[in-house]
Amino acid sequence: DGGITQSPKYLFRKEGQNVTLSCEQNLNHDAMYWYRQDPGQGLRLIYYSQIVNDFQKGDIAEGYSVSREKKESFPLTVTSAQKNPTAFYLCASSNRLMNTEAFFGQGTRLTVV
Amino acid sequence: SQQGEEDPQALSIQEGENATMNCSYKTSINNLQWYRQNSGRGLVHLILIRSNEREKHSGRLRVTLDTSKKSSSLLITASRAADTASYFCATDARRDDKIIFGKGTRLHILP
Repeated sequence: DGGITQSPKYLFRKEGQNVTLSCEQNLNHDAMYWYRQDPGQGLRLIYYSQIVNDFQKGDIAEGYSVSREKKESFPLTVTSAQKNPTAFYLCASSNRLMNTEAFFGQGTRLTVV
Repeated sequence: SQQGEEDPQALSIQEGENATMNCSYKTSINNLQWYRQNSGRGLVHLILIRSNEREKHSGRLRVTLDTSKKSSSLLITASRAADTASYFCATDARRDDKIIFGKGTRLHILP
């Protein structure tokens, strides 16, 4: 079955640590996105990538980093520079050429302890 | 920056009634999409309407798009308890291909 997978579902981080959230898709989509969602809020764009080895900052990129070495993978690292990282993180992918909808993973809930 | 803004922020209606949510956006778009999110879960795509379309239907869903007013509406007819969720509009801007979401409308269907 084609889809987009995020792992882990829950993640706990100590202050000062970097953590990496995984996002893998087997939909052969060119574009991938990372969003952050805070309780009762909408989605804010962190980073997006339209093609392998290229990515752009979204609206809240500070304290985050990404890589896009493979088409199917777009990991997000939450660095110690992110002062308020506790949130729900959602990864998505879409077929840019076809200009179609985005498919979402089930999310990773990150908590700083 | 939020491209889309949904209205109202929250909506409670009786089961069987129709629910209407609105979305306004700021810049020229390729398409506009509506998504549903159940609490603590990922988003599920509902419907996509392209910038050259004015109305689209999918089951109990009806979406309209007015590019001159930069606005869209989502109508859910004959609402059911399972429709209780948050609904988001998302726009795909022409200038940079980012998909930007609004803050959402929380819909609660009362039994």
